[in-house]
Amino acid sequence: DAKTTQPTSMDCAEGRAANLPCNHSTISGNEYVYWYRQIHSQGPQYIIHGLKNNETNEMASLIITEDRKSSTLILPHATLRDTAVYYCIGGSARQLTFGSGTQLTVLP
Amino acid sequence: EAEVAQSPRYKITEKSQAVAFWCDPISGHATLYWYRQILGQGPELLVQFQDESVVDDSQLPKDRFSAERLKGVDSTLKIQPAELGDSAMYLCASSLRANTEAFFGQGTRLTVV
Repeated sequence: DAKTTQPTSMDCAEGRAANLPCNHSTISGNEYVYWYRQIHSQGPQYIIHGLKNNETNEMASLIITEDRKSSTLILPHATLRDTAVYYCIGGSARQLTFGSGTQLTVLP
Repeated sequence: EAEVAQSPRYKITEKSQAVAFWCDPISGHATLYWYRQILGQGPELLVQFQDESVVDDSQLPKDRFSAERLKGVDSTLKIQPAELGDSAMYLCASSLRANTEAFFGQGTRLTVV
């Protein structure tokens, strides 16, 4: 799995877009970028994944740079319930290697 | 919405005792994972099943941990004997196939005293 680097913590105002960066400069050509989040004391929740193209679903958008060395998860209108640890993982679904993630705090 | 079911939600056990956790994956999911999450860290994979077969247990401490998925549906993870360092959240996840996104249960919080 690719090593990923994420900021330890971020704050975002409620109703604004939350942009969470991730660096995965060692990702190989066939490895995906996965994003999960974990709300306190719950299991991780799948958000989105992508290979090369930008992806969007009902939860978030994933923007992957052309060289695939970094990506940004975008929560378009953050709510208080989006406060969680967000994990960026570079690899395959069969072997998710979680790092320490980014603690996102949405402020009222 | 289909979910991965885990029980119990919380478990307190004395060291040297045996403890078991149960997981029922999303219906139709062939791949099942057990992860361990120590407080303040990300989850770590312990074992992966494809149907009833173990495909990766390289990180499972086999001297005290065992896992089975006899009929390729639900699964049990056992620790015998439990040690203080085993205190953690034990998470089960499942996916439709080996290389599709995994969905996690709520976990079992184990405290060994």
